[in-house]
Amino acid sequence: AQKVTQAQTEISVVEKEDVTLDCVYETRDTTYYLFWYKQPPSGELVFLIRRNSFDEQNEISGRYSWNFQKSTSSFNFTITASQVVDSAVYFCALVRTNSGGYQKVTFGTGTKLQVIP
Amino acid sequence: EAQVTQNPRYLITVTGKKLTVTCSQNMNHEYMSWYRQDPGLGLRQIYYSMNVEVTDKGDVPEGYKVSRKEKRNFPLILESPSPNQTSLYFCASRSTSSYNSPLHFGNGTRLTVT
Repeated sequence: AQKVTQAQTEISVVEKEDVTLDCVYETRDTTYYLFWYKQPPSGELVFLIRRNSFDEQNEISGRYSWNFQKSTSSFNFTITASQVVDSAVYFCALVRTNSGGYQKVTFGTGTKLQVIP
Repeated sequence: EAQVTQNPRYLITVTGKKLTVTCSQNMNHEYMSWYRQDPGLGLRQIYYSMNVEVTDKGDVPEGYKVSRKEKRNFPLILESPSPNQTSLYFCASRSTSSYNSPLHFGNGTRLTVT
């Protein structure tokens, strides 16, 4: 079985503060894929980043950065100098492929981030 | 424009009245899936389809049916809706050309069953 845990249900920060959203996953597979999606108040789901299990290189994209650590089964997401537009629910997701080639997607329960002006 | 289109956006119905939520994608994606989003539970997969005529259960398939007769369409059918199926539903698609291709989501359908 696979599982994704986002222990932080809600986080509030003041604008310009840095914030880290935690994602811890469980899987027995050696090959898997991790994703972050953003759901702004308007409701749509937007892809942010993906990471393969065999690629532990961290990534920075503007104010966003991601820290993937296989040793702790974590794929954390940091927003630097947060802005009001970052207010959203953020979902972490784990994808694995079974023996039949079918892909199973498991989402975490999401972290609601509120950035206060 | 590449997109996943769900209809309707909002639906209020009564217990037991069969309904269908449509989903269509114009990206020629092989993989399509349905999710429901509930407070505190995140997104849970209902059904998914790897290609035409190939479907499989996700984590919460009870009370739902799907079909994949054409590559672009993946309707979600509730034969006899119940109040516990009140939820926000998302359809998504992705290419299977690479294992790490992301999901593209529709805008959601908010269903209320009274």
